[in-house]
Amino acid sequence: QVQLVESGGGVVQPGGSLRLSCVASGFTFSNFGMHWVRQAPGKGLEWVAVISHDGSGKHSIEKGRLTVSRDNSKNTLYLQINSLSSDDTAVYFCAKDHSSSWMDYWGLGTLVTVSS
Amino acid sequence: SYVLTQPPSVSVAPGQTATITCGGSNIGSHSVHWYQQRPGQAPVLVVYNDDDRPSGTPERFSGSNSGNTATLTITRVEAEDEADYFCQVWNSGSDHHYVFGTGTKVTVL
Repeated sequence: QVQLVESGGGVVQPGGSLRLSCVASGFTFSNFGMHWVRQAPGKGLEWVAVISHDGSGKHSIEKGRLTVSRDNSKNTLYLQINSLSSDDTAVYFCAKDHSSSWMDYWGLGTLVTVSS
Repeated sequence: SYVLTQPPSVSVAPGQTATITCGGSNIGSHSVHWYQQRPGQAPVLVVYNDDDRPSGTPERFSGSNSGNTATLTITRVEAEDEADYFCQVWNSGSDHHYVFGTGTKVTVL
């Protein structure tokens, strides 16, 4: 069955950087686009970034500060977040793309807390 | 940017019908997808392409989409349906290519 397991979250000081990872299993990772979606405490879902199956296409809500990448040899998706602020405090979910339209499987998420 | 507006909360008695709306400009021209998120859990896809259900979604869940409003309907509501529900569309014309609705908390009385 499809499994997505995020890691890399934690407490980070404002201005710092973090790289989140998402290890995928149960499907052919290199055939599918992948997303990052975040959820601030008590808030709704916010789409963050998407990457195509081969990494050739990428989009994020903040180009340059939020960078998505992938390593298909390791079945792993990444999100690099730079210049962290309190607005970045959230649970970050990775999700499998379907038809470049919806997200059919989600991980349990990893919590990022930006605090001094 | 494209905005999807949902009512913050809906309350429904067990066995009754819950109706959750998702309003957006000409949303009928988009494919709408719906996610259920129980407390402390990851979102789960319950409806895609307006009115299709993934395997595992009960037939009690159905969707529709026309004009400026998409709707998720849950018939014969059960206690396990208590959750947050989010609509979502792909909007190529927006910087935020994938847009989520504001979310609706469904409370089963």
